[in-house]
Amino acid sequence: EVQLVESGGGLVQPGGSLRLSCVASGFTFSSHSMNWVRQAPGRGLEWVSYISASSSAIYYADSVKGRFTISRDNAKNSLYLQMNSLRVEDTAVYYCVRDGTLTEWPEDWGQGALVTVSS
Amino acid sequence: QSVLTQPPSTSGTPGQRVTISCSGSSSNIAKNYVYWFQHLPGTAPKLLIYNSDQRPSGVPDRFSGSKSGTSASLAISGLRSEDEADYYCAAWDDNLSGRVFGGGTKLTVL
Repeated sequence: EVQLVESGGGLVQPGGSLRLSCVASGFTFSSHSMNWVRQAPGRGLEWVSYISASSSAIYYADSVKGRFTISRDNAKNSLYLQMNSLRVEDTAVYYCVRDGTLTEWPEDWGQGALVTVSS
Repeated sequence: QSVLTQPPSTSGTPGQRVTISCSGSSSNIAKNYVYWFQHLPGTAPKLLIYNSDQRPSGVPDRFSGSKSGTSASLAISGLRSEDEADYYCAAWDDNLSGRVFGGGTKLTVL
């Protein structure tokens, strides 16, 4: 069974930093591209970032480009999101998401980590 | 405002057929595949349609996707109460070099 467990969420002041982690199990982590997707309170889904299986391709949404950094450690079956210069509008539940082998798009989601940016 | 435009809400009665539209542009839907997700409150989003019109294993054939030009649609036939959820379209955008979601459509089964 695919499991994706996020951690690292919490309350941070505007301008602050936070690092999200996601530990994966139940599949060959090094064979799958991964994403971070967020959902702000009362809002829809927003794709945040993508990283290929080997980390050779990385993409970001314009809203986080230059502030967020996605990375992975295949030896530790872990995905990360370093978030700097946080803004109030970054407040959201952040999901760790695995791309499917056939579809190559999000198929499995973690339970989410709440990030609240507030003074 | 999302790059992909969806109606905020739609509704239907049990057994009815409903469609949800997704309007994009030449940099996303026109050139790339469209994906559809179902999101029930309190659960993880589920991929319903990939590559514009393909269903992942386990998705009922009541769900179908289509694409024409810069627009795409998700059709749900034989509507059921358990279909009440938020539905999102998504695609790769060449100009943004990233994935984009539509704003979501809330489907109410009356």
